[in-house]
Amino acid sequence: EPEVTQTPSHQVTQMGQEVILRCVPISNHLYFYWYRQILGQKVEFLVSFYNNEISEKSEIFDDQFSVERPDGSNFTLKIRSTKLEDSAMYFCASSWQGWNQPQHFGDGTRLSIL
Amino acid sequence: KNEVEQSPQNLTAQEGEFITINCSYSVGISALHWLQQHPGGGIVSLFMLSSGKKKHGRLIATINIQEKHSSLHITASHPRDSAVYICAALTGNQFYFGTGTSLTVIP
Repeated sequence: EPEVTQTPSHQVTQMGQEVILRCVPISNHLYFYWYRQILGQKVEFLVSFYNNEISEKSEIFDDQFSVERPDGSNFTLKIRSTKLEDSAMYFCASSWQGWNQPQHFGDGTRLSIL
Repeated sequence: KNEVEQSPQNLTAQEGEFITINCSYSVGISALHWLQQHPGGGIVSLFMLSSGKKKHGRLIATINIQEKHSSLHITASHPRDSAVYICAALTGNQFYFGTGTSLTVIP
């Protein structure tokens, strides 16, 4: 069964550095999402992406964050200048037809900011 | 303010028991999503429903739109069902997640 893959599984970065988290969504899916989960807390929506542009974003998704689909397969989340509070598990998901369809999640990237 | 509340927070059951996890939400929704998060952190979508009931194997999800309440039932629970179960309410174009119910099924 096709799956969403995320790399790396664990990223350790110094505070203030830029980090790029990568995701390969399921190939025929059109909608892409990023979520984060701070340790011990609930999952939070960050951003959704469709047709090469952001369709929705949460309050968390400020100017430090950006998303891109640089080619036909990858979907990336960039954090420009990381802060300690960015330490979290970041999940990518994709769906075929938007919010009213089930989303398929990757296994997540654990981001640790030192 | 929590738009989505789940209960119980933690649940321990003996293998074979029937399990119910509850989700209440305060916002108007177009759909509700049940997710399973494994101990390693990976998330799996279980159900997405906007009315009535859905069944998949030993899992059953129900939703009552008028009462703003959904339940996830597991019949004949098994230790491999041990995970965190999360409900997420879809309102507009955004999910609001519950804090999850941590289920442990003891052999």
